[in-house]
Amino acid sequence: AQSVTQLGSHVSVSEGALVLLRCNYSSSVPPYLFWYVQYPNQGLQLLLKYTTGATLVKGINGFEAEFKKSETSFHLTKPSAHMSDAAEYFCAVRSGPGNTPLVFGKGTRLSVIA
Amino acid sequence: DAGVIQSPRHEVTEMGQEVTLRCKPISGHDYLFWYRQTMMRGLELLIYFNNNVPIDDSGMPEDRFSAKMPNASFSTLKIQPSEPRDSAVYFCASKLGVTDTQYFGPGTRLTVL
Repeated sequence: AQSVTQLGSHVSVSEGALVLLRCNYSSSVPPYLFWYVQYPNQGLQLLLKYTTGATLVKGINGFEAEFKKSETSFHLTKPSAHMSDAAEYFCAVRSGPGNTPLVFGKGTRLSVIA
Repeated sequence: DAGVIQSPRHEVTEMGQEVTLRCKPISGHDYLFWYRQTMMRGLELLIYFNNNVPIDDSGMPEDRFSAKMPNASFSTLKIQPSEPRDSAVYFCASKLGVTDTQYFGPGTRLTVL
């Protein structure tokens, strides 16, 4: 079965510092991988996704993620954190081949310190 | 586009009462998902529909939970009777079948006293 592990339930960074949120996956099929962001009292929004092709994926708000098959990882990064990046971030993997639901990680709460 | 619409946004009820959560997916989307989010268990898929037909309800925790989708623009999640452990945020999401991106509603925060 497909699964996602997010390392660290809470990450705190200073404003302007590098953001690195870790995600490792397990998948028996070629993985489709996603990062979603949830701002307080809102639903989840798609940040970026990897399906096929280029392994470095750029998303909204300056975030990017790199698919590394050898490491079964899909870590999310942003060079310089902004206060507005404070939110909960979820990594997800498609649960199977074809049109199947996503399996979400437990989430990582990002705090940005001024 | 109005996005996925959920109602109510907040619901407080007493144990044993029936609770109905409502969702209107994005027009034209043919998949609809119901999720539950708690601190302990994270985001769990409860059930999903394709073209109004339930495809997988293995995530529905108990027989107290039921979901329907009478037409392409409306779905309900019902809990009867409700229990304090059902307290959570319930999200509805929809997507267009040929794409991978799910669009989430703002959620319903349910508190069962």
